Amino acid sequence: GEDVEQSLFLSVREGDSSVINCTYTDSSSTYLYWYKQEPGAGLQLLTYIFSNMDMKQDQRLTVLLNKKDKHLSLRIADTQTGDSAIYFCAESLRDNYGQNFVFGPGTRLSVLP
Amino acid sequence: DAGVTQSPTHLIKTRGQQVTLRCSPKSGHDTVSWYQQALGQGPQFIFQYYEEEERQRGNFPDRFSGHQFPNYSSELNVNALLLGDSALYLCASSPAGRGFPYEQYFGPGTRLTVT
Repeated sequence: GEDVEQSLFLSVREGDSSVINCTYTDSSSTYLYWYKQEPGAGLQLLTYIFSNMDMKQDQRLTVLLNKKDKHLSLRIADTQTGDSAIYFCAESLRDNYGQNFVFGPGTRLSVLP
Repeated sequence: DAGVTQSPTHLIKTRGQQVTLRCSPKSGHDTVSWYQQALGQGPQFIFQYYEEEERQRGNFPDRFSGHQFPNYSSELNVNALLLGDSALYLCASSPAGRGFPYEQYFGPGTRLTVT
């Protein structure tokens, strides 16, 4: 079955790095995503990684994928107070009928000044 | 370029009533997906529309139905509302065509409260 798990809370100090972890179960996932949700808002696409990649870097964001362990992580360098939000990991499953996304429960990141 | 828009922003309904939520996809996108996000949880996939047809469906009862119009906009209808239907309903669009919609953009959501 499809299941995405994340730790629910993470607290870091401003300027430190944040690492948010995610595990998924479906080995047929083609893309894995990170979304950010601020209070009262929809989901903002941060980055995604194709399942045949190990790493993707995009400015302050680094995504690492360990396909063997089905483990995905998002590292935010030089974390700022504006990074405080809920971060969702999602896997994308494709079949003959199209594609859908399975989201984790979200990790609430709190950045302390 | 307008992103994904949804209306209304907030809605309060009574148990047993019916509700219609609306979504306009991002310009150039032709596939619309709907998600339900209960408080404190991740979004749950309801269904996806492409070429005015429901292409995929998650584990939601038939009370949840939808429609896509020729201009790619979409509606989500929920009949016989239950208290448990209270949630943030998110619409997402992607430029699928018949390819792989690997980028999905979300609207701000409609907050539905059922009393």
